[in-house]
Amino acid sequence: AQSVAQPEDQVNVAEGNPLTVKCTYSVSGNPYLFWYVQYPNRGLQFLLKYITGDNLVKGSYGFEAEFNKSQTSFHLKKPSALVSDSALYFCAVNSGNTGKLIFGQGTTLQVKP
Amino acid sequence: DGGITQSPKYLFRKEGQNVTLSCEQNLNHDAMYWYRQDPGQGLRLIYYSQIVNDFQKGDIAEGYSVSREKKESFPLTVTSAQKNPTAFYLCASSIFWENTEAFFGQGTRLTVV
Repeated sequence: AQSVAQPEDQVNVAEGNPLTVKCTYSVSGNPYLFWYVQYPNRGLQFLLKYITGDNLVKGSYGFEAEFNKSQTSFHLKKPSALVSDSALYFCAVNSGNTGKLIFGQGTTLQVKP
Repeated sequence: DGGITQSPKYLFRKEGQNVTLSCEQNLNHDAMYWYRQDPGQGLRLIYYSQIVNDFQKGDIAEGYSVSREKKESFPLTVTSAQKNPTAFYLCASSIFWENTEAFFGQGTRLTVV
């Protein structure tokens, strides 16, 4: 079955430090992977995606993500966190075999000054 | 001004009532999705549609119904059979459902009174 796991409910980092939000996936076909961000009482905003090619994907607001096929992971990273990065982050996968876009549980990122 | 519009933003339902949440997009997207968001549970897929006049159940379709009579519109009805409908509902759309990102509406918060 297609699934996504975000093992951390919350990640806390200090402003200026690097951040990582973890995501692992399970699909039966080629994975198409996405990261989204959600601010309170709003819809989700797209950050970046992995379709094929280079394992390091760059996205909006200085975020990047690393695809690792052997570990079935797609971790979100940023070299230097900002307080304004504090939000809820979702990883999602679409294998293409089912047409379903499946999301992880979400990880709350808290960046402290 | 292209986008995806959900209405209303807030909705109150009495016990035993059916209510319909509106979702309209002018992005010419083929696929549309409905998700339910509860605290700590991430986004769960209710229904999705890849083309007009066709839709599939997601993971939590019981107590919900949809229609896709027009490409632009994908309304969700929360029926009285849904025992715990209080939640934040998100509609999304995408071009090709495999490898393109989804665009989200701003959500409808449904409360049972």
